[in-house]
Amino acid sequence: DIQMTQSPSAMSASVGDRVTITCRASQDISNYLAWFQQKPGKVPKRLIYAASSLQSGVPSRFSGSGSGTEFTLTISSLQPEDFATYYCLQHNSYPLTFGGGTKVEIK
Amino acid sequence: EVQLVESGGGLVQPGGSLRLSCAASGFTFSSYWMSWVRQAPGKGLEWVANINQDGSEKNYVDSVKGRFTISRDNAENSLFLQMNSLRVEDTAVYYCAAGAIFDYWGQGTLVTVSS
Repeated sequence: DIQMTQSPSAMSASVGDRVTITCRASQDISNYLAWFQQKPGKVPKRLIYAASSLQSGVPSRFSGSGSGTEFTLTISSLQPEDFATYYCLQHNSYPLTFGGGTKVEIK
Repeated sequence: EVQLVESGGGLVQPGGSLRLSCAASGFTFSSYWMSWVRQAPGKGLEWVANINQDGSEKNYVDSVKGRFTISRDNAENSLFLQMNSLRVEDTAVYYCAAGAIFDYWGQGTLVTVSS
């Protein structure tokens, strides 16, 4: 199975900060990576697919990069509505696996 | 508007069975891979199973193989998850998701396995 390791697991940040979350795969997954945002009590929402393609309707302050085994999700200027937990997902091979999540909290 | 509505969750004793359903509308159900994803209380997301458009291919996470069965009825725009031999660790909110990489999600149904 491919293990997805996210870091950090939690972080505190202020509105306006640049935030970077990393996801590492235990083996090469090419660009078969997506990022999801989940707010408390809400359903996950896809932000990024194919490692760097922005989902329609998602603000441009979100961006994704990487390929192979190392990927990043960047929020260029954190907004109040961005405080949430973020998950990466690899869909290169079965079983599909999520990272453990990164909780972004208000500083 | 895309809608995925799960049902069938509830409280069941260890070793028991439940059948989850997901009613889809607002998109061409028969054109989409469909999945079940679960989230234990206070924990992260875990993919459980998926099924291709015509039901000929099914995949499962190891922890549910032999116990859970995914199926679909394209005529009724419905997805199912038959869960047998339930364990305490199967306790979670179960989400129905449409698309190979989860384009759309339902609101989830809570399954609690406890004596």
